[in-house]
Amino acid sequence: DTTVKQNPRYKLARVGKPVNLICSQTMNHDTMYWYQKKPNQAPKLLLFYYDKILNREADTFEKFQSSRPNNSFCSLYIGSAGLEYSAMYLCASSSGSGTGQLYFGEGSKLTVL
Amino acid sequence: GDSVTQKQGQVTLSEDDFLFINCTYSTTTYPTLFWYVQYPGQGPQLLLKVTTANNKGISRGFEATYDKGTTSFHLQKASVQESDSAVYFCALALTSGGNYKPTFGKGTSLVVHP
Repeated sequence: DTTVKQNPRYKLARVGKPVNLICSQTMNHDTMYWYQKKPNQAPKLLLFYYDKILNREADTFEKFQSSRPNNSFCSLYIGSAGLEYSAMYLCASSSGSGTGQLYFGEGSKLTVL
Repeated sequence: GDSVTQKQGQVTLSEDDFLFINCTYSTTTYPTLFWYVQYPGQGPQLLLKVTTANNKGISRGFEATYDKGTTSFHLQKASVQESDSAVYFCALALTSGGNYKPTFGKGTSLVVHP
């Protein structure tokens, strides 16, 4: 079963409020990624977990938090949403010993008003 | 830094037309290159992977190759169908500290008319 699930699929948030997005995978993959996708832009890697080690990209370091309480789950947390956070957030997983293929969820569409 | 450029934002074809989508990349290492396809309401899924320059990846009637000399890689299909309408992403996978950090192009939206 190659399944990555994301919740919620749609999220409406007010400016300044927190947002928490959840991702789960059933493939026992050691790596989980979060990408931000805006229209007409490439998916942008925000951060990834390799096992319990969090790696955040330099330009998004302070904007996004994440936790991975166990191998199957990973969250993306925004402490104070701004209008610029409106985007599709894609979670993906992969096996570090594999081929580099990513398995994506369907995405969480965040709209900040 | 490492990057991927995918300039074609949208391609509109009729059924049985030939499809060609091109990406260019920039890296100082030997990359693995991927094509992902995203159908409406779904997440991207792997279509093809090419690990060696001038080798060909083939899947579902699609072919992909990459040219190290021109640092380009492309996706082609001889005869598209309406069901191929989707967004196609090229991606470059590099390792950083033992982890893959895939970098994506912005995607090409393919619209195929019956």
